[in-house]
Amino acid sequence: QSALTQPASVSGSPGQSITISCTGTSSDVGSYNYVSWYQQHPGKAPKLMIYEVSNRPSGVSNRFSGSKSGNTASLTISGLQAEDEADYYCTSYTSSSPYVFGTGTKVTVL
Amino acid sequence: EVQLVESGGVVVQPGGSLRLSCAASGFTFDDYTMHWVRQPPGKGLEWVSLISWDGRTTYYTDSVKGRFTISRDNSKNSLYLQMNSLNTEDTALYYCTKHGTSGWYGYFDYWGQGALVTVSS
Repeated sequence: QSALTQPASVSGSPGQSITISCTGTSSDVGSYNYVSWYQQHPGKAPKLMIYEVSNRPSGVSNRFSGSKSGNTASLTISGLQAEDEADYYCTSYTSSSPYVFGTGTKVTVL
Repeated sequence: EVQLVESGGVVVQPGGSLRLSCAASGFTFDDYTMHWVRQPPGKGLEWVSLISWDGRTTYYTDSVKGRFTISRDNSKNSLYLQMNSLNTEDTALYYCTKHGTSGWYGYFDYWGQGALVTVSS
């Protein structure tokens, strides 16, 4: 099972919106609405930000939103803030593995 | 408050064995599937294994099949990962994670702080 494909890095200025893509196949992202997103600050454990494509856990800012189209899922961060600077990973349930993570994206706030 | 505390991470020689443990609290442990996820130093996350609430169903990523065994003791609220025939590619921070729903379709809603396993001669 190959990792889901994410851009290595995405950057934006404070207040701007950025979108991180997560591309899989018809065996994972394209077939299941079990895509989730995790934020990881340096030296810290990952934190769940979005589950089941577009749902936010309690306590997660509404500046974070998720969506999916075909084999690609996306995480959008609106009103970018300095504290959003971190690594972000997507994951999906798959027909084989049963879970696969994305390659990870480093978000930089300029 | 949900807490997951891993232990057992050490330096081990190639070919060696190790057992990781995860002590869970703050939730009804035997209601949930549990997972191990690992992260090599400076690299991304990799899902390793899952075990159903009752221990009857397990899954592994291909690279650890036949070498790693996941288990749980619901009477002790504990999750384990027995790791045999270790190689340098197994060097990683190993996270214990709780599944977010019943069953095993879904997501990981709580994570421990990780246990560092270093495979080196």
